[in-house]
Amino acid sequence: QKEVEQNSGPLSVPEGAIASLNCTYSDRGSQSFFWYRQYSGKSPELIMSIYSNGDKEDGRFTAQLNKASQYVSLLIRDSQPSDSATYLCAVNNNAGNMLTFGGGTRLMVKP
Amino acid sequence: GAVVSQHPSRVICKSGTSVKIECRSLDFQATTMFWYRQFPKKSLMLMATSNEGSKATYEQGVEKDKFLINHASLTLSTLTVTSAHPEDSSFYICSASGSGRGGTDTQYFGPGTRLTVL
Repeated sequence: QKEVEQNSGPLSVPEGAIASLNCTYSDRGSQSFFWYRQYSGKSPELIMSIYSNGDKEDGRFTAQLNKASQYVSLLIRDSQPSDSATYLCAVNNNAGNMLTFGGGTRLMVKP
Repeated sequence: GAVVSQHPSRVICKSGTSVKIECRSLDFQATTMFWYRQFPKKSLMLMATSNEGSKATYEQGVEKDKFLINHASLTLSTLTVTSAHPEDSSFYICSASGSGRGGTDTQYFGPGTRLTVL
């Protein structure tokens, strides 16, 4: 079974700190990786995608991918209370654009 | 770009009635649409995948006669919950992938529909 694992949290960080969210996946054939943010009671919104090994930066967010270790992470710099949400890692196994989601990590940024 | 809408955002219905939820891609052509449901504090659960003009593919355990999906155009998919029961109460979310700003495998989510069956 293809799995995507995330620590459910909550991960608590002080405002202004770096939040590090981690995700591992089981299918070595996975090609596309996504991070979504989901506020309570809302639907997921795309933060960023990553396809190649290494880092990809977008504003305060940096996604990191290591296919050899089957590991993808999301760093949030200068965390703000508004970043408090559940972060979902999703992996595309090239099965018709279907995504396999992790259970999500709940992030709490404390003022 | 890559905006997906859903209607209605919230619906309350009586047990035994049917409810139709619409999912539209507003600024791109959605070759594939997905329907999820989510219970409080739980993960997204994929219900079905639909490609424009084709029959939907349902996940194991999802009754296709109860959850009717139609993807008649590249911008519209509908989910009809037939003969709804209280246990169908949930947050239903659609997503779409296609020729949006991201890659063709990027899924963009609609805002969701909260269904309450009395």
